[in-house]
Amino acid sequence: KNEVEQSPQNLTAQEGEFITINCSYSVGISALHWLQQHPGGGIVSLFMLSSGKKKHGRLIATINIQEKHSSLHITASHPRDSAVYICAPRSQGNLIFGKGTKLSVKP
Amino acid sequence: DGGITQSPKYLFRKEGQNVTLSCEQNLNHDAMYWYRQDPGQGLRLIYYSQIVNDFQKGDIAEGYSVSREKKESFPLTVTSAQKNPTAFYLCASSISNGNEQFFGPGTRLTVL
Repeated sequence: KNEVEQSPQNLTAQEGEFITINCSYSVGISALHWLQQHPGGGIVSLFMLSSGKKKHGRLIATINIQEKHSSLHITASHPRDSAVYICAPRSQGNLIFGKGTKLSVKP
Repeated sequence: DGGITQSPKYLFRKEGQNVTLSCEQNLNHDAMYWYRQDPGQGLRLIYYSQIVNDFQKGDIAEGYSVSREKKESFPLTVTSAQKNPTAFYLCASSISNGNEQFFGPGTRLTVL
């Protein structure tokens, strides 16, 4: 069983829809990162959180340490949000990466 | 502009040849990392370095080697001992190990 599970693997949405991507993990962690990977391969760090909730623009990330679960929400989605979103919990100093959720937002 | 650069973006090599991938950062970060990404899989840690002249193996270090002679540079050599070297390689850095990581644009290596 993978230590990090993301769902869904693929997601297609219409512009303006509210998006939720889920991440479950099985190890003890000190923090959790959400990353965005664009089609060219470059990766951008979106959030690093260890408790509660963080918001940046239209993006919101939440984490429940007791349930070992995190969610990434995108409000008012836009075609430029199309990318792969990667959950990466930090365990024993190193990141463990999920396989990613490929999001495609149609105009 | 501060950031991480990797070169080249695409690299082709013949089987049996060693190849070195470049990673440079001007963020004054102490920690640097090399990851490998294969289709349908999460990133996997190859090597990391917390400080100059020191580095540790990650989860998949076999067939790879690194050096950290300068703070800003962390080159990765893919040796002929790596059985399946074709992959996308990403370099990252952070202020120190455990902090937010900043990623380079990646190098896509194809071994023919």
